Amino acid sequence: GAVVSQHPSRVICKSGTSVKIECRSLDFQATTMFWYRQFPKQSLMLMATSNEGSKATYEQGVEKDKFLINHASLTLSTLTVTSAHPEDSSFYICSAREPTGTRNEKLFFGSGTQLSVL
Amino acid sequence: DQQVKQNSPSLSVQEGRISILNCDYTNSMFDYFLWYKKYPAEGPTFLISISSIKDKNEDGRFTVFLNKSAKHLSLHIVPSQPGDSAVYFCAASANGNEKLTFGTGTRLTIIP
Repeated sequence: GAVVSQHPSRVICKSGTSVKIECRSLDFQATTMFWYRQFPKQSLMLMATSNEGSKATYEQGVEKDKFLINHASLTLSTLTVTSAHPEDSSFYICSAREPTGTRNEKLFFGSGTQLSVL
Repeated sequence: DQQVKQNSPSLSVQEGRISILNCDYTNSMFDYFLWYKKYPAEGPTFLISISSIKDKNEDGRFTVFLNKSAKHLSLHIVPSQPGDSAVYFCAASANGNEKLTFGTGTRLTIIP
């Protein structure tokens, strides 16, 4: 099946620094990628929809200036957590939809990034 | 507001028996439901889905049942195998939208 690679899998950083997370679709072109966040014992929550060549669409309550999304190519989307604080510590996961798929059966997920901000 | 709920955080089932995972939703606009399976250190992978025009969808050992009036769906795995041990997420979408609303997941453990 299609593969989505997410890097890094774990990152620990100091408060105030910025962290970049990469999401790559390895064997298909993804015009749309999604970024989710999961806090402990909570569900995956959609943060934003990343569209190749255009601005990302953010969900209500997600600060676009804090969570910068760049989808510069059909195989790469990046999420940058700017000026990270301890409350940003969470599990971040991306997904990409294979264009030939119907609805969400062809939605492939990365393995996630555990961010810990000290 | 948790629109998709999986009230059982964990479930243990004997190998060979039936595993039943439950999911409830509150948003009546949801018209497509999916189950994902997640192993440790991996992303969720699609397992099975069902449209609101159906009440049952079967794929091998996996069957999903949808009760629209109760806003409830369940995933049946029979017979359960050790490789089924994973976290199972229920998800829903509305109106052909790609946005998914997830439940909190149920950790299934199959006991050999």
